[in-house]
Amino acid sequence: NAGVTQTPKFRVLKTGQSMTLLCAQDMNHEYMYWYRQDPGMGLRLIHYSVGEGTTAKGEVPDGYNVSRLKKQNFLLGLESAAPSQTSVYFCASKESRMNTEAFFGQGTRLTVV
Amino acid sequence: AQSVTQLDSHVSVSEGTPVLLRCNYSSSYSPSLFWYVQHPNKGLQLLLKYTSAATLVKGINGFEAEFKKSETSFHLTKPSAHMSDAAEYFCVVSDLVDDNNDMRFGAGTRLTVKP
Repeated sequence: NAGVTQTPKFRVLKTGQSMTLLCAQDMNHEYMYWYRQDPGMGLRLIHYSVGEGTTAKGEVPDGYNVSRLKKQNFLLGLESAAPSQTSVYFCASKESRMNTEAFFGQGTRLTVV
Repeated sequence: AQSVTQLDSHVSVSEGTPVLLRCNYSSSYSPSLFWYVQHPNKGLQLLLKYTSAATLVKGINGFEAEFKKSETSFHLTKPSAHMSDAAEYFCVVSDLVDDNNDMRFGAGTRLTVKP
């Protein structure tokens, strides 16, 4: 039972490069989320999706884009990476909006130099 | 808008002594509240959740938390710390009012357990 899988686990980018982070879940969850985790700031929501084909902005969406073409996958893209995007990125999914547990991936550690 | 304040960024206890991790929240409506744990280089795992049933909630690994509406608090406790409890702990508030963010995280509390 894989749960939520993120790829890659580590990546180093040069400023200006682009990349896509993939999140895959096998629990048939409707809701999917991308967070970034920075020291002393907890997890901050970048974008989220409430179902296949939908996306919405969270707290800190600037510099990121997302797509949810298939229910099980949620992609996070950085078109032109900046050092300020150095962070640990977590994907999560859950069954419904309220009162349900969120399941998290193992994280992607991204460094932009 | 909903918000969460974890009152301590770092808590250090000795093995076998009680653990108290403090969380205060702000929410316009009756919220759901969660505690998640993150072990080093791992994802987050649910410890326990409050969803307007019993105010004292029991979770995994001997942890529990009490919802106190009058104090807007949801503190996490454990009677006796174990070395394996060393981790980062996040308090999360969730309500239906904030359309842009239905899970708002506290900044986290790092728990250190000394032998």
